[in-house]
Amino acid sequence: GAVVSQHPSWVICKSGTSVKIECRSLDFQATTMFWYRQFPKQSLMLMATSNEGSKATYEQGVEKDKFLINHASLTLSTLTVTSAHPEDSSFYICSALELPGSTGELFFGEGSRLTVL
Amino acid sequence: GENVEQHPSTLSVQEGDSAVIKCTYSDSASNYFPWYKQELGKRPQLIIDIRSNVGEKKDQRIAVTLNKTAKHFSLHITETQPEDSAVYFCAAIRRRGNKLVFGAGTILRVKS
Repeated sequence: GAVVSQHPSWVICKSGTSVKIECRSLDFQATTMFWYRQFPKQSLMLMATSNEGSKATYEQGVEKDKFLINHASLTLSTLTVTSAHPEDSSFYICSALELPGSTGELFFGEGSRLTVL
Repeated sequence: GENVEQHPSTLSVQEGDSAVIKCTYSDSASNYFPWYKQELGKRPQLIIDIRSNVGEKKDQRIAVTLNKTAKHFSLHITETQPEDSAVYFCAAIRRRGNKLVFGAGTILRVKS
C-alpha cells in the first residue's frame, strides 16, 4: 500500500514557541491530506483538510491561526502549531488518500507526539 | 454531518473467545466503513473495510457486517489471541469530501 511519512515522531518544546510537523506521501501524489489530533485514551478528531495549492478547510472549533496548514506540493503538507501551550500537547496524525476523489483507503503517517512544557 | 457511535468502550475476553464491537452512523450517504486497530503510540492500521454495496466481508479471523437500513456495522473477531489486544476504531466516510469520522474506540483486552 501507499506510504505516508511524518516527521518528527516526537517533539518537546517550551510554551510560546512554534512547532512544525511534516507529512509526506512517499510513493504517490496526495492532493488531499487530513490532519487529526488524538488526546490520550481518546479517538482521532479531524482538525482540518489540507488541499494542495489552496487554503485548508478547518473543522469547527479548530483555530486556523493557531494551527497553520500548508500544502505547497503534491507530496508534502505541514502543520505548524503556533505559540504552543501545554493544552496543545497531543498526538498529531496526518493521513492521505491514494486515489483523489474516490472513497478509498486512507493511509496514516506514524504520528507526532507533541509535549509542550 | 456524520456522527459515529461505538460500543462497548472496553471489552475483555478470554483467549479463544470471540469479540464483537458495534458501531452506528447517522449519515445515510456514508458508503465506506473501515475498521482500524491502533496500538499504543502508533498509527491506526486498517484491518478490514466494507462498502455500502456489500453486507458482509470476512478475512480469516476478522469479519465485518453492515446493515444499511439500520445504519449499523459490526466487527467480529473469532479465536481471539493476546496480540489482538489494542484499541479498535470504526469509521464512516461519505464520498463527498472524503472525511473520515471515527468512533470513540474500543479497548480490547484478550486474557490468556
